[in-house]
Amino acid sequence: AQRVTQPEKLLSVFKGAPVELKCNYSYSGSPELFWYVQYSRQRLQLLLRHISRESIKGFTADLNKGETSFHLKKPFAQEEDSAMYYCALLKSGAGKSTFGDGTTLTVKP
Amino acid sequence: NAGVTQTPKFQVLKTGQSMTLQCAQDMNHNSMYWYRQDPGMGLRLIYYSASEGTTDKGEVPNGYNVSRLNKREFSLRLESAAPSQTSVYFCASSLRDNTEAFFGQGTRLTVV
Repeated sequence: AQRVTQPEKLLSVFKGAPVELKCNYSYSGSPELFWYVQYSRQRLQLLLRHISRESIKGFTADLNKGETSFHLKKPFAQEEDSAMYYCALLKSGAGKSTFGDGTTLTVKP
Repeated sequence: NAGVTQTPKFQVLKTGQSMTLQCAQDMNHNSMYWYRQDPGMGLRLIYYSASEGTTDKGEVPNGYNVSRLNKREFSLRLESAAPSQTSVYFCASSLRDNTEAFFGQGTRLTVV
């Protein structure tokens, strides 16, 4: 069965510092991976997905199949980036995503 | 553009009471989902509906039932609430079962 691991429940950085939220997955096939974000008092929303290869709000994530990782990175964190971040894996054809436990990011001024 | 709407936003139940959480989407999505969010456990899938007329169990279906009333609506029912069902419940929908999910604002349920 597929599994998504986010090893850090809490992550705290200072404004302007680089930030990396880790995500590792286990799945034997070709996964589709997503990062979702939940800002305080807001609904969960898609941040980015690996196939789009976009940079959203300064965040990027590269799928590393060799290391089975999909880490989320931003070179200069901002206070408004403080939120809960979820990594999710969608098994091709399965129709439902598996979410990690989430990482709460706090960016301090 | 409402997206995914859940009702109610908050609910307190006594053990053994029943209730139905409502979810509706106006994006003409085919797939709909119910998740629960618990501290330290992330989002866990309760039930999902890949298309109108179909429902399937997710990771934690025990104690719940669902109804895909039509393409727009997907309800979650607790027949006999238990304190272990205290959680935040999220409904989500996606155009197809391999596209991004759009979430509702959540229902905070407390069972005492």
